[in-house]
Amino acid sequence: AQSVTQLDSQVPVFEEAPVELRCNYSSSVSVYLFWYVQYPNQGLQLLLKYLSGSTLVKGINGFEAEFNKSQTSFHLRKPSVHISDTAEYFCAVSRMDSSYKLIFGSGTRLLVRP
Amino acid sequence: SQTIHQWPATLVQPVGSPLSLECTVEGTSNPNLYWYRQAAGRGLQLLFYSVGIGQISSEVPQNLSASRPQDRQFILSSKKLLLSDSGFYLCAWSGSGTGGNQPQHFGDGTRLSIL
Repeated sequence: AQSVTQLDSQVPVFEEAPVELRCNYSSSVSVYLFWYVQYPNQGLQLLLKYLSGSTLVKGINGFEAEFNKSQTSFHLRKPSVHISDTAEYFCAVSRMDSSYKLIFGSGTRLLVRP
Repeated sequence: SQTIHQWPATLVQPVGSPLSLECTVEGTSNPNLYWYRQAAGRGLQLLFYSVGIGQISSEVPQNLSASRPQDRQFILSSKKLLLSDSGFYLCAWSGSGTGGNQPQHFGDGTRLSIL
């Protein structure tokens, strides 16, 4: 079975500061990895995905993530955050060997302060 | 481009009443469809998924059911709502076929409150 751990339930940061949101996963098979963002009272929007190739993945809104297979991590980063980045961020994994299921972490609330 | 619609956006229902939430997808054919529930301050729980008309897989035994009467229509139902059914319900779609490399795309959700 797969599991996803987002250790930080909330990350406060000042505007224009860098941020890293941590994601670790556990799986007995190879997985694909995703980051989603959820703004208040909205659905989830795909930020970026790692399927194969370069371990550094760039997404929308200036976010990027790095896949580290040995540490089973997929941390999300942004060099300079804006107030508008305040939202809930979810890491998710799916199995490579034919599965329709996304396994989500419990989410990290990014709170950007002026 | 593909779009996904969910309605209603907000719903307040008494305990014991029936439920019907609808989700439709446009701009794609034979999508995989999903229903999730998100409890306050928590992650997403997959309730049902469907790979084709009339094909429903249930992930969690519960008071809810799902149906897919048309290719791009997915309905979440209940005959009698419980207090524990309160939450934020999200519909999602992904491209057809097997393999977990298909990202899921979400609707804007329905916030369901049971009184």
